Amino acid sequence: GQQLNQSPQSMFIQEGEDVSMNCTSSSIFNTWLWYKQDPGEGPVLLIALYKAGELTSNGRLTAQFGITRKDSFLNISASIPSDVGIYFCAGQLEGGSEKLVFGKGTKLTVNP
Amino acid sequence: ETGVTQSPTHLIKTRGQQVTLRCSSQSGHNTVSWYQQALGQGPQFIFQYYREEENGRGNFPPRFSGLQFPNYSSELNVNALELDDSALYLCASSRRGRETQYFGPGTRLLVL
Repeated sequence: GQQLNQSPQSMFIQEGEDVSMNCTSSSIFNTWLWYKQDPGEGPVLLIALYKAGELTSNGRLTAQFGITRKDSFLNISASIPSDVGIYFCAGQLEGGSEKLVFGKGTKLTVNP
Repeated sequence: ETGVTQSPTHLIKTRGQQVTLRCSSQSGHNTVSWYQQALGQGPQFIFQYYREEENGRGNFPPRFSGLQFPNYSSELNVNALELDDSALYLCASSRRGRETQYFGPGTRLLVL
């Protein structure tokens, strides 16, 4: 099946540092979505991207839809302890399929 | 605006049994997707329902089936449970034509 390669797998940072994570694929995507999931809960939508090259911010979060439509990145600036969690990228493939393909997640730990 | 809700929150079954999970979509949404999330993995697409019909299916056997009702709520049924079916089952709702999916809190299923 289609794969999204998400990296890094985990990150350990100090409060106040900036964070960057990304997803790549060999397939072309129409939509990229970034979610955050806390333990035992469902994923919460952070940012949605709909066009190649699109750069979108949500507070301290910024995400971009890659020009090739095969990648996306998420940046978090000035991290705080509540940023702790698992971040997932998800994409909807070109061709109209309604399903979302997910990466394996990036586990973020923020040390106060 | 009411978000996506799921019931029950937790469930324990034994191998060979059958289970039904329920999902109420977010207000204004007409499409429901179901995902299985194994521990430490990203969600995997099971199937999607729109207008009470299955609209796309992932790589899951026929013993995974579903329903969508006129009020857009949905059920996921799993027959002949296997140990590997132990996972977090997530429901996501969306508006047809908009790819952004919003997730519920999930149902944690344990098969013994």
